Amino acid sequence: NAGVTQTPKFQVLKTGQSMTLQCAQDMNHNSMYWYRQDPGMGLRLIYYSASEGTTDKGEVPNGYNVSRLNKREFSLRLESAAPSQTSVYFCASSDLAGVYEQYFGPGTRLTVT
Amino acid sequence: EDQVTQSPEALRLQEGESSSLNCSYTVSGLRGLFWYRQDPGKGPEFLFTLYSAGEEKEKERLKATLTKKESFLHITAPKPEDSATYLCAVQAMDSSYKLIFGSGTRLLVRP
Repeated sequence: NAGVTQTPKFQVLKTGQSMTLQCAQDMNHNSMYWYRQDPGMGLRLIYYSASEGTTDKGEVPNGYNVSRLNKREFSLRLESAAPSQTSVYFCASSDLAGVYEQYFGPGTRLTVT
Repeated sequence: EDQVTQSPEALRLQEGESSSLNCSYTVSGLRGLFWYRQDPGKGPEFLFTLYSAGEEKEKERLKATLTKKESFLHITAPKPEDSATYLCAVQAMDSSYKLIFGSGTRLLVRP
């Protein structure tokens, strides 16, 4: 039981390049989330998927797109990377939306030069 | 505006020296308050959920408490392995999905 897995662990992009961050969970959770973590700012929600087939914007969605591929997988795409997107990205999942705790993956450290 | 503030930003303790971390929040109706532990280079690890004022939860040397305006994470006789960043997050009644995180408290426990 791996929980939440993310790939890659590290990535360096040049401004304007695109990439997709992958996330998968094996806990049979319905809801999945993408966060970014920047120094001194706490974790901020980018997008979430309450259930398979649905996605919604979070607090900081600009410059990102997501795909809920199936119940297990939720990907985050940067179409044209910018230096402001340098951050650590975390995927999380929860059983159901509401007061159920979210479980986080190990993160992807992204640098955009 | 919903907000979470954690204090102190950093805390250094000697092994065995008990202390408390604070999480103050303003939210339009609290659905739940969450505590997480985060080790360097890792994702946050879930510790506790608190739902209503007066509630307390314990795990090993950690005890979390909740009032209407703040939560405390009490660390009793800490060990070096308790060194980590502790994150607090709240979920508002009018939001089924969004967690609002504080910036965290970096705890260092020296042997």
